[in-house]
Amino acid sequence: DAGVIQSPRHEVTEMGQEVTLRCKPISGHDYLFWYRQTMMRGLELLIYFNNNVPIDDSGMPEDRFSAKMPNASFSTLKIQPSEPRDSAVYFCASRAGQGSPSGNTIYFGEGSWLTVV
Amino acid sequence: QQPVQSPQAVILREGEDAVINCSSSKALYSVHWYRQKHGEAPVFLMILLKGGEQKGHDKISASFNEKKQQSSLYLTASQLSYSGTYFCGTVPWMDSSYKLIFGSGTRLLVRP
Repeated sequence: DAGVIQSPRHEVTEMGQEVTLRCKPISGHDYLFWYRQTMMRGLELLIYFNNNVPIDDSGMPEDRFSAKMPNASFSTLKIQPSEPRDSAVYFCASRAGQGSPSGNTIYFGEGSWLTVV
Repeated sequence: QQPVQSPQAVILREGEDAVINCSSSKALYSVHWYRQKHGEAPVFLMILLKGGEQKGHDKISASFNEKKQQSSLYLTASQLSYSGTYFCGTVPWMDSSYKLIFGSGTRLLVRP
């Protein structure tokens, strides 16, 4: 069974450019999470979805950040315009619903390593 | 709201034991433990859902003290492969959402 799939794995972009990160959750999972990891701030929860609906976006740092989940198998995290301080590893993660045997376990993708210069 | 982990870093010799602690200022519904190796994604180790619950995974086990709002991860007879950063994540009790918030991590280095 395929895990959480993220793309791109690595991206280097110039300040001011738009960045789009993509995620395909594990099939059948109802929840999708976007985390950001930096040395200074650790693993931060940015936003999470339940059944494609954004539930909590209080961790989204600024209006430059937006996330969508148009269907159960795809989500994007967009940064526009990007800034050097956005450089980080962005993880997408997913989990099954409460009734599932693995319902409480969150599985992480390999991450997207973003560098803004 | 972020759980507090201690210690921040540990250096062990192979075969030694270690304990990593995680505490929260809020009542907890669950505690999750992950290990992350450099350049890789966090990998799930175990989850504790009930107060007093203990779970084990090979020579890695964990306990959950609901009253103290604490969890501890026990690594016994450590192996080189145990090296990495350990994160605890917590979900508050009576939280209608499912926000898994991670601590700042404990870096573990096991030397031969």
